Amino acid sequence: QSVVTQPPSASGTPGQRVTISCSGGRSNIESNFVHWYQQLPGTAPKLLIYRNNQRPSGVPDRFSGSKSGTSASLAISGLRSEDEADYYCAAWDDSLSGPVFGGGTKLTVL
Amino acid sequence: EVQLVESGGGLGQPGGSLRLSCAASGFTFNNYAMNWVRQAPGKGLEWISGIGGSGNNIFYADSVKGRFTVSRDNSKNRLYLQMTSLTAEDTAVYYCAKALGMREFPAMDVWGQGTTVTVSS
Repeated sequence: QSVVTQPPSASGTPGQRVTISCSGGRSNIESNFVHWYQQLPGTAPKLLIYRNNQRPSGVPDRFSGSKSGTSASLAISGLRSEDEADYYCAAWDDSLSGPVFGGGTKLTVL
Repeated sequence: EVQLVESGGGLGQPGGSLRLSCAASGFTFNNYAMNWVRQAPGKGLEWISGIGGSGNNIFYADSVKGRFTVSRDNSKNRLYLQMTSLTAEDTAVYYCAKALGMREFPAMDVWGQGTTVTVSS
């Protein structure tokens, strides 16, 4: 069991806005940046959001991140079929002295 | 083009050893921390090890501490993972991943394609 938890699944219809939550604690999310990854089926993960709310070049502004206290969220607006993927949050954990990933959320576009 | 290419995966015996390698190109390798992340079949991502740009800051997940050793050769732009005392629970796709900066381990902006390790007799 990861020290950072995510809902195992989420879903939405094309055009909708969906959010994926990431819950942790003082030693990880509250104290450090949160990063988000997208993993399309059969491919390597891709950095989607870094330092809580920054987008790497090439990532559409439909994707946004936020953090408050011991929780963080990834929001996807204008949902598209190609957004169907697994999404992971990650943060440094001061107690474990290493990064921790959330368990991942499988997003289905209905 | 920034690229990471892993190699060295394959079939390992329980209790045996394997050495993974990751060849980096397209960026100044010694300026960045590097990570190993694995993904067991049908499971999520698990960070297992990280090493700072100069090789002096090294971290391991508890699941591999004492069994796996990370190293890097900045003259060859290569990252390594020496795996010993393998168990079935080490069966996974292993990715090397570049960190955003010297010590920003959890933010991994470049990933390799992965190499598969299967531990079985």
